[in-house]
Amino acid sequence: EADIYQTPRYLVIGTGKKITLECSQTMGHDKMYWYQQDPGMELHLIHYSYGVNSTEKGDLSSESTVSRIRTEHFPLTLESARPSHTSQYLCASSVSGASYEQYFGPGTRLTVT
Amino acid sequence: AQSVAQPEDQVNVAEGNPLTVKCTYSVSGNPYLFWYVQYPNRGLQFLLKYITGDNLVKGSYGFEAEFNKSQTSFHLKKPSALVSDSALYFCAVRCNAGNNRKLIWGLGTSLAVNP
Repeated sequence: EADIYQTPRYLVIGTGKKITLECSQTMGHDKMYWYQQDPGMELHLIHYSYGVNSTEKGDLSSESTVSRIRTEHFPLTLESARPSHTSQYLCASSVSGASYEQYFGPGTRLTVT
Repeated sequence: AQSVAQPEDQVNVAEGNPLTVKCTYSVSGNPYLFWYVQYPNRGLQFLLKYITGDNLVKGSYGFEAEFNKSQTSFHLKKPSALVSDSALYFCAVRCNAGNNRKLIWGLGTSLAVNP
């Protein structure tokens, strides 16, 4: 079944650690996105990619980085986690075409202590 | 500037009553409009979209939305609310500026359906 996956779902980690949040989709979508969302609050686009080897920063400045080496995989990395990075991170993908509707993964809730 | 507004932070409705969650937009060119729902501790689920055609769009879980060009609105509606509809609802519009095709998101409206 075509879907979008995120791991881990929950992560508690200490300050200064390096972390990578995984996102994979099996829908063959060329566009992928990372959003940051505090609980019950608005979405902030932090990174997006329109294809392999294409990455762009989003509307909200973020200390994270992303890579897109394969179409289906769009990991997000924090080199040194801080408490201010505590949030929910949502990955999404969409197919090229007229509608641009996005499909979301279940999210990773990150807590940095 | 292109934008989406959800004027209500929270909407409360009794189970069985009709519900409306409001959305207005400002975008150049033809608007592509979307509604998403987010249940607690989950990602967003696509509900419905308006691209062209009939102004009344039907989507998942019995929801529908009415596109009104003159009022630049795209309100989400359901004839009879369920307690399980309680969630956070986001309206979005596709950005039409240049080659930018990102979605512009509203701030979200929390819907509470009371038994």
